[in-house]
Amino acid sequence: DAGITQSPRHKVTETGTPVTLRCHQTENHRYMYWYRQDPGHGLRLIHYSYGVKDTDKGEVSDGYSVSRSKTEDFLLTLESATSSQTSVYFCAISDSLGTEAFFGQGTRLTVV
Amino acid sequence: SQKIEQNSEALNIQEGKTATLTCNYTNYSPAYLQWYRQDPGRGPVFLLLIRENEKEKRKERLKVTFDTTLKQSLFHITASQPADSATYLCALDTRGQNFVFGPGTRLSVLP
Repeated sequence: DAGITQSPRHKVTETGTPVTLRCHQTENHRYMYWYRQDPGHGLRLIHYSYGVKDTDKGEVSDGYSVSRSKTEDFLLTLESATSSQTSVYFCAISDSLGTEAFFGQGTRLTVV
Repeated sequence: SQKIEQNSEALNIQEGKTATLTCNYTNYSPAYLQWYRQDPGRGPVFLLLIRENEKEKRKERLKVTFDTTLKQSLFHITASQPADSATYLCALDTRGQNFVFGPGTRLSVLP
């Protein structure tokens, strides 16, 4: 398995609180992605990174921010969690465009 | 608007038959297309990638075709087994620096 770890694996938080999810890789891959997966919507891209400090928005970026200060870490922050952000979040990494992506095990986030 | 569709939400087939899953897209011009398998509670796992200049790709019992004129990819699993039961996702690149996924097809192979 590719060296990609998401933490935490499960989290329950209250509406309005900030939440940070971490994705850590040991593969030295350039690209890192955050997706959310919801029934009826499939996997939707939140943000992605194409290098240290280089990030861009995906299709569902509202309410989320990211940071990548090191090649190996990509953080996803919900500034003020809402119930609509209850979802399963997946991190993925890729060495270059046009190659396979490796996914983490996912983080199940529940906002109550 | 841009859209990716997979033929059906769920597909049931008998063991030993060939499963054919469809991925159609509109308003994209992908340079490549990927297929992933996802089991419940797990992240997607890469299966095959096919580029726009390739018509067909094979890997063991898997075969993918890519028709850029029809804007369609077909994913075949021959001699299907119950262990092939999973959700299969297609993903295509956006000509940018990311890729997007279809909604997936949940395949059940019945013994």
